[in-house]
Amino acid sequence: GAGVSQTPSNKVTEKGKYVELRCDPISGHTALYWYRQSLGQGPEFLIYFQGTGAADDSGLPNDRFFAVRPEGSVSTLKIQRTERGDSAVYLCASSLQGGVTDTQYFGPGTRLTVL
Amino acid sequence: GQNIDQPTEMTATEGAIVQINCTYQTSGFNGLFWYQQHAGEAPTFLSYNVLDGLEEKGRFSSFLSRSKGYSYLLLKELQMKDSASYLCAPQGNTGFQKLVFGTGTRLLVSP
Repeated sequence: GAGVSQTPSNKVTEKGKYVELRCDPISGHTALYWYRQSLGQGPEFLIYFQGTGAADDSGLPNDRFFAVRPEGSVSTLKIQRTERGDSAVYLCASSLQGGVTDTQYFGPGTRLTVL
Repeated sequence: GQNIDQPTEMTATEGAIVQINCTYQTSGFNGLFWYQQHAGEAPTFLSYNVLDGLEEKGRFSSFLSRSKGYSYLLLKELQMKDSASYLCAPQGNTGFQKLVFGTGTRLLVSP
C-alpha cells in the first residue's frame, strides 16, 4: 500500500516569505508527527496530532510555525516570515494510533531552503 | 529533558560485525527505538526494545540495559548497502510515542 507522502519534495523560498508543506499519512493512521532535520543531526520533534487535534506542539520553535490537520488525515505545516535558519528537511511520520509501541512510518521529507 | 550519546562516525569492512552504542538519560522510560537512515532518505524502523536483553532480527540485533541507560545495535555480515546513519531514540514518559533522536551514527562500509 501507499506510504507517507510529502509535497513538495523541494522548496526554495526567499527570506520573509510564507510556505506550506503538505503531508499525506498512511490511510487509517490516526497519529501524525512533524519533525525537522538539519544537516548532520537527528530529526527533531515539532508537533504531534491525534486525529484532528494537536496533542503536543511543544517542539514548534516559535509562533511563526503552525500546523493543521482539519479532517484528521492530510496535514499542512505552515511557516510564516521564513528565516534562513528554517532551512532543513521537514519530515512527516504517521502511526496507527500513536501508542507507545506503534511504529512510526516516515515520509521522504520536504527539503526547505530559505535564501 | 533527554540526553542521548552515540558515536558520530564508524567505519567497517564488508562481511564484518559492527556494534553501535547508545547511552541515554530520559525523564521516565518506555522503550528504545533504532532507525536506519540512508543519505537523502527517510528514517526506517529497525527495532524496538522495551525489556532488558538482546532482540535478534536477521542480521541486525538490538540490546537494551534499562538500569545502565545503554543500548547497542549489532550489525552482522555487513553489506555495502548498510552504509547509512543509525539513529537511537529512547522514549520517555510522554503518554504517546514522541521520538527524540540522537544525532545518529554514520556507518561507512567499505569493500
